[in-house]
Amino acid sequence: GQNIDQPTEMTATEGAIVQINCTYQTSGFNGLFWYQQHAGEAPTFLSYNVLDGLEEKGRFSSFLSRSKGYSYLLLKELQMKDSASYLCAVSSGGYQKVTFGTGTKLQVIP
Amino acid sequence: DADVTQTPRNRITKTGKRIMLECSQTKGHDRMYWYRQDPGLGLRLIYYSFDVKDINKGEISDGYSVSRQAQAKFSLSLESAIPNQTALYFCATSDSGTGLNEQFFGPGTRLTVL
Repeated sequence: GQNIDQPTEMTATEGAIVQINCTYQTSGFNGLFWYQQHAGEAPTFLSYNVLDGLEEKGRFSSFLSRSKGYSYLLLKELQMKDSASYLCAVSSGGYQKVTFGTGTKLQVIP
Repeated sequence: DADVTQTPRNRITKTGKRIMLECSQTKGHDRMYWYRQDPGLGLRLIYYSFDVKDINKGEISDGYSVSRQAQAKFSLSLESAIPNQTALYFCATSDSGTGLNEQFFGPGTRLTVL
């Protein structure tokens, strides 16, 4: 089976930096996704990490350590519109099965 | 136009009724999925289909059935709805050819079973 853990909720201040962590246990690991989901809306793709290290995409960066089963999503220069849930998801196996974590609800405050 | 559409967007029904949720996509993707989302439980996979002739159960398939009528259409049925099937349902698609399996989600269907 798979186990994906991420904090349930976080609060951060507008303009600041926040790091959302995700730990996972799986066999046949292929890669790790991060999705953003605003309340009542569909999840949208943010990033996909296959190799160890940090990948930067504008204000968002994602890090992966395969040996530690650990990833984080880093959001810089936080804006109010970044208030959303952030879903960590792991791809595993030959058919690239994707399993989602329960998500971290981020609230950005002024 | 949206690439992945779901109908209806909202539905209220009564216990014991048969309900069908429909999903259509114009992305040309071969893989399609049905998820339900409940507060605190995240997205859970109900059924998935890797092509028209392939249907697979997910982690919570009991009480649900699906039909892949064409590559672009994937329907989810609740044969006899019960209140604990009240949830937000998402359809998603992905393209096996990219090697990434990034999933693209529809807007969701909010189902309430009374």
